Amino acid sequence: SAVISQKPSRDICQRGTSLTIQCQVDSQVTMMFWYRQQPGQSLTLIATANQGSEATYESGFVIDKFPISRPNLTFSTLTVSNMSPEDSSIYLCSVEYYGEQFFGPGTRLTVL
Amino acid sequence: EDQVTQSPEALRLQEGESSSLNCSYTVSGLRGLFWYRQDPGKGPEFLFTLYSAGEEKEKERLKATLTKKESFLHITAPKPEDSATYLCAVQAGSSYKLIFGSGTRLLVRP
Repeated sequence: SAVISQKPSRDICQRGTSLTIQCQVDSQVTMMFWYRQQPGQSLTLIATANQGSEATYESGFVIDKFPISRPNLTFSTLTVSNMSPEDSSIYLCSVEYYGEQFFGPGTRLTVL
Repeated sequence: EDQVTQSPEALRLQEGESSSLNCSYTVSGLRGLFWYRQDPGKGPEFLFTLYSAGEEKEKERLKATLTKKESFLHITAPKPEDSATYLCAVQAGSSYKLIFGSGTRLLVRP
């Protein structure tokens, strides 16, 4: 299996600011994903980040709000920009690894 | 539109009382069906992937099965530590995107 770590594990931010979340994997993977889990809800895909190409965003998510970097095969970042209280969620990184998808521990974001 | 529905929303069991969780799906070309366990405040923990109807996989007290329309997660003689939310997700067509159901919250009482 692939082991994934995320930083920070949680944060409390003021509206209008931005937060960058880091995702580190212990193996080289082609496909990485960013999901959002709103309070009491299930997971929704934000974007797919493949190394060497631009991230692909799902309907309802835009690059200006959620810019993503994927500089190498073991690392990615997701930035939540110009935050509002509606952005309060858990943000999860996942990777496709030999046909299975593994998730990181998540970043719990609270926007005041 | 690809869709995943899980039932029941919540399930309370006595320790040792076996039961099943259901995941029904409507997708255009199933690529894979995934089961995860999620504890409060944590990321989903991978349990199983099923690829074709008739396939079964087991892990400790859990057994997952798959038909053309649904999947079941059977829990045999559950223990309190099995208490968690169980999530079902599908991949469809050529996409690696996971489409999640809303989950089943399982509580096992001693």
